[in-house]
Amino acid sequence: IVMTQTPLSLAVTLGQPASISCRSSQSLVHRDGDTYLTWLHQRPGQPPRLLLYQISHRFSEVPDRFSGSGAGTLFTLKINRVEAEDVGVYYCMQTTQTPWTFGQGTTVEIK
Amino acid sequence: QITLKESGPTVVKPTQTLTLTCTFSGFSLTSDGAQVAWIRQPPGKALEWLALIYWDDDDRYSPSLRTRLTITKGPSENQVVLQMTNMDPVDTARYFCVHGAFWGQGILVTVSS
Repeated sequence: IVMTQTPLSLAVTLGQPASISCRSSQSLVHRDGDTYLTWLHQRPGQPPRLLLYQISHRFSEVPDRFSGSGAGTLFTLKINRVEAEDVGVYYCMQTTQTPWTFGQGTTVEIK
Repeated sequence: QITLKESGPTVVKPTQTLTLTCTFSGFSLTSDGAQVAWIRQPPGKALEWLALIYWDDDDRYSPSLRTRLTITKGPSENQVVLQMTNMDPVDTARYFCVHGAFWGQGILVTVSS
């Protein structure tokens, strides 16, 4: 499954919203009915950390300014009001089937 | 809490075999549904999934690297080992082990003569 993210880079003003799209080459609905689409955030020099799983479920301690939506093959990560700590690279990832695959990454910077 | 830590050589020569160990705590790989994956990231590039081992010893591999990879449990109950044969400079990357939402810090492996 090929994962395609857009845009690949994003410059956002502090306090403004940001949105990243992720499209999969085939449906991510698993035979169990769930959709295993994950969003990760990676700061420079750090391992990725999980933000959202199964499209829209925020992981522990992830701020509620992060939200996810979508279904099937098209998904979106939204940051309600970007803060300085949100800079870095965002990846979508599918674990619906092996091989697990990732988007190319979207680099978010502050204007 | 769940932690994972990768260990192994940080420099290998071309054609050598890389052996990495993931030592984890806070979960059991014998529990139903448990799994540990290896993922790598070349410097400045995107993430690439390599392999996965399940609680029942079933395993899965990246199709493009299938012939070079072996993932196994052990030698201790809280360890998973990844072997990659015939290393090449393009395999230079940070290698992460992952359990669900939890990632190790990764180990940077450089392939150089």
